[in-house]
Amino acid sequence: KQEVTQIPAALSVPEGENLVLNCSFTDSAIYNLQWFRQDPGKGLTSLLLIQSSQREQTSGRLNASLDKSSGRSTLYIAASQPGDSATYLCAVLKGGGADGLTFGKGTHLIIQP
Amino acid sequence: GAGVSQTPSNKVTEKGKYVELRCDPISGHTALYWYRQSLGQGPEFLIYFQGTGAADDSGLPNDRFFAVRPEGSVSTLKIQRTERGDSAVYLCASSQTSGGDTQYFGPGTRLTVL
Repeated sequence: KQEVTQIPAALSVPEGENLVLNCSFTDSAIYNLQWFRQDPGKGLTSLLLIQSSQREQTSGRLNASLDKSSGRSTLYIAASQPGDSATYLCAVLKGGGADGLTFGKGTHLIIQP
Repeated sequence: GAGVSQTPSNKVTEKGKYVELRCDPISGHTALYWYRQSLGQGPEFLIYFQGTGAADDSGLPNDRFFAVRPEGSVSTLKIQRTERGDSAVYLCASSQTSGGDTQYFGPGTRLTVL
């Protein structure tokens, strides 16, 4: 059974710092990996999707990498801003692609002004 | 365009009652997913529809849970004989196809069973 772990569970950094969130998964036979953002009391917003054949994806200040063989992904946030404060969730889709996502528990991020 | 919508946003019910939760996916999206999120946890997969049929219902916790999507658009998650442990946020997502496209999530329905 696929398990997804996110480290750290919580992180608080001053505004302007660059930071890295980590995600690991136990079964490397994935179809793709998605990073989401969740604000309190809200649904999930997709940030980046990396196909299993890709190594990284970039969107603005966000960069996500994928090392499928080692079962790891990182989300890099450059020049953090208070508006980045949220919970960040990593999710994998198993090989075949036609299925639900398996999520980690998330990293709760606070950016101090 | 309009995103995924879910109604109601909040539902409070008593133990043993029946509830229905509704999801309106993004227009034209053929795949629809239901997840359940407990406090401090990531969402857990419940069921996935491709068109009108349930392609994978392996995440439904027991036979008190059932979901339908009769016309391949709106879906309803039905919970019979609710228990306090069913309290959670129920999230719906849709994607354009079932081939690993980005899943777009609704705001969720917060279910509280007293």
